Amino acid sequence: DQQVKQNSPSLSVQEGRISILNCDYTNSMFDYFLWYKKYPAEGPTFLISISSIKDKNEDGRFTVFLNKSAKHLSLHIVPSQPGDSAVYFCAASARGAGSYQLTFGKGTKLSVIP
Amino acid sequence: NAGVTQTPKFQVLKTGQSMTLQCAQDMNHNSMYWYRQDPGMGLRLIYYSASEGTTDKGEVPNGYNVSRLNKREFSLRLESAAPSQTSVYFCASSDPGFFSYTFGSGTRLTVV
Repeated sequence: DQQVKQNSPSLSVQEGRISILNCDYTNSMFDYFLWYKKYPAEGPTFLISISSIKDKNEDGRFTVFLNKSAKHLSLHIVPSQPGDSAVYFCAASARGAGSYQLTFGKGTKLSVIP
Repeated sequence: NAGVTQTPKFQVLKTGQSMTLQCAQDMNHNSMYWYRQDPGMGLRLIYYSASEGTTDKGEVPNGYNVSRLNKREFSLRLESAAPSQTSVYFCASSDPGFFSYTFGSGTRLTVV
């Protein structure tokens, strides 16, 4: 059973517009969430994270929103740039339960069109 | 500033052959991980080592073994490769409690 779901395999956005990537989770024990970005032929790189005690975290053009009641988080990129074109993975962990393992979603491929 | 180094970058094996994927990190991290990435499947944890001297199974451990050789190195061994193990393998490291894993650039393995 997939515990972290990214239901959109791909997303295309015009340069300068907002990109919204979505992620849903089913495990109530998850209390820490991250987004990773991956370019072809490279390993994933950490982008931004959020703890379950918060509902928003910002880092420059990137903002992650967490809705615990809906078990949903989203990554907003504003404004989108061509260099943002990559695969974005949502990941979650049950840190409070002592687990340091990350469970990843299947990824969403973002294409930013110049 | 190497971070996490994986060798080899590419490998083709015949069914039944064995091989070891090497991973080394220079960030003094305690924890290390092996993931595989398959098309449409995301990243799935194979094995992890929370600290030197310990290893534990992840989500998809069958057909693999690991060795935490020292704090820096964590290897993944395929004893008898199968076509189902064709995948891209990523090694990662982190400190306990820190989830911003640092990943290597991956090993693309094809089993024919």
